[in-house]
Amino acid sequence: SQQGEEDPQALSIQEGENATMNCSYKTSINNLQWYRQNSGRGLVHLILIRSNEREKHSGRLRVTLDTSKKSSSLLITASRAADTASYFCATVPSLTGGGNKLTFGTGTQLKVEL
Amino acid sequence: NAGVTQTPKFRVLKTGQSMTLLCAQDMNHEYMYWYRQDPGMGLRLIHYSVGEGTTAKGEVPDGYNVSRLKKQNFLLGLESAAPSQTSVYFCASTPKYKLYEQYFGPGTRLTVT
Repeated sequence: SQQGEEDPQALSIQEGENATMNCSYKTSINNLQWYRQNSGRGLVHLILIRSNEREKHSGRLRVTLDTSKKSSSLLITASRAADTASYFCATVPSLTGGGNKLTFGTGTQLKVEL
Repeated sequence: NAGVTQTPKFRVLKTGQSMTLLCAQDMNHEYMYWYRQDPGMGLRLIHYSVGEGTTAKGEVPDGYNVSRLKKQNFLLGLESAAPSQTSVYFCASTPKYKLYEQYFGPGTRLTVT
């Protein structure tokens, strides 16, 4: 079953605006990650936030994590057309059973228009 | 480094045919994974391997088999393809010293008619 559910499913904004997407998950986690997927390509890792962290930044990306609500958000500031892609959250459960297995959400399709 | 590569990029099979998807990585990673991605869904883990000669089942293993005879290669086999296996298949790897971040291949688009 899918661990993460993302909201919204699709988002269309103008270049220069900020984009916010949210992820909710079901079980206790060790960490949560965000990946980007350009059309027809593989996923690329963006950022990881551990369960004991509340906020993390990387360039134009800001990720927050609220373990009490089992939710995370990804903010992309000053968006560019090149940010057009699908964004997925992925979780590593606290009890992994080995193998560092990721469970992915359903993704948010972001379109940044000129 | 080429990173993670997948062969083939596209394939069309008839129901009941068999095929093998090849994943290769040149980063000396210990862990490797096979996922499938279907429209409107995230990636789902099929099988994974934590080292040469070892494999384990993921979330959706039925109808697939895997082998990891060499550290750099991870093979995904479909013995008798079914239309439900029409999907995009992704391979990923991660080094043991940097667990959690996975590196993905470009994908294989498989259609079963």
